[in-house]
Amino acid sequence: DTEVTQTPKHLVMGMTNKKSLKCEQHMGHRAMYWYKQKAKKPPELMFVYSYEKLSINESVPSRFSPECPNSSLLNLHLHALQPEDSALYLCASSRDRGNEKLFFGSGTQLSVL
Amino acid sequence: GESVGLHLPTLSVQEGDNSIINCAYSNSASDYFIWYKQESGKGPQFIIDIRSNMDKRQGQRVTVLLNKTVKHLSLQIAATQPGDSAVYFCAETPYSTLTFGKGTMLLVSP
Repeated sequence: DTEVTQTPKHLVMGMTNKKSLKCEQHMGHRAMYWYKQKAKKPPELMFVYSYEKLSINESVPSRFSPECPNSSLLNLHLHALQPEDSALYLCASSRDRGNEKLFFGSGTQLSVL
Repeated sequence: GESVGLHLPTLSVQEGDNSIINCAYSNSASDYFIWYKQESGKGPQFIIDIRSNMDKRQGQRVTVLLNKTVKHLSLQIAATQPGDSAVYFCAETPYSTLTFGKGTMLLVSP
């Protein structure tokens, strides 16, 4: 199994809603990532988890809250988002943190109204 | 030919041609580089990687060249096919964190 699975594929939410994005991998990878991608732009790193501990937070606003319940799962909790947060949210995993290739999921296309 | 617009640079080629996509990376501390392909509505897909102790690496129909002197990376695709149409990103790892370049859209016409 070389897949990273993200749910939901699409999400529309209001600015007062709370929602969560989910990501799962069964490759035994110990590093997991959240990236944000706007249309026609490269993915931008948000968070890195290594061995289930948050190791990088790229100055992401607190309305985005990551969680790593176990080595296979990564969540991104969303609360009080702004319309400019609308984007494709990509989850990725790698065997370890460092100079390793990342495997990406298909992303969640988020629209904030 | 190649055009650089307000948004994504685009390379247009004919089916069967060889394509060359270029990337200027920014950080001389980077020691690992990856090329990703991203099709519409999908996540980035790994194509090929290269470490800084090499200057060339070949895969199936793809070759990556690395010139550390001028901080330049290129991806060569042989016998380009319509299924190769996508956005291609180079990525570098300064300080062990993957950072993406701006991307190039490859359009392959039959």
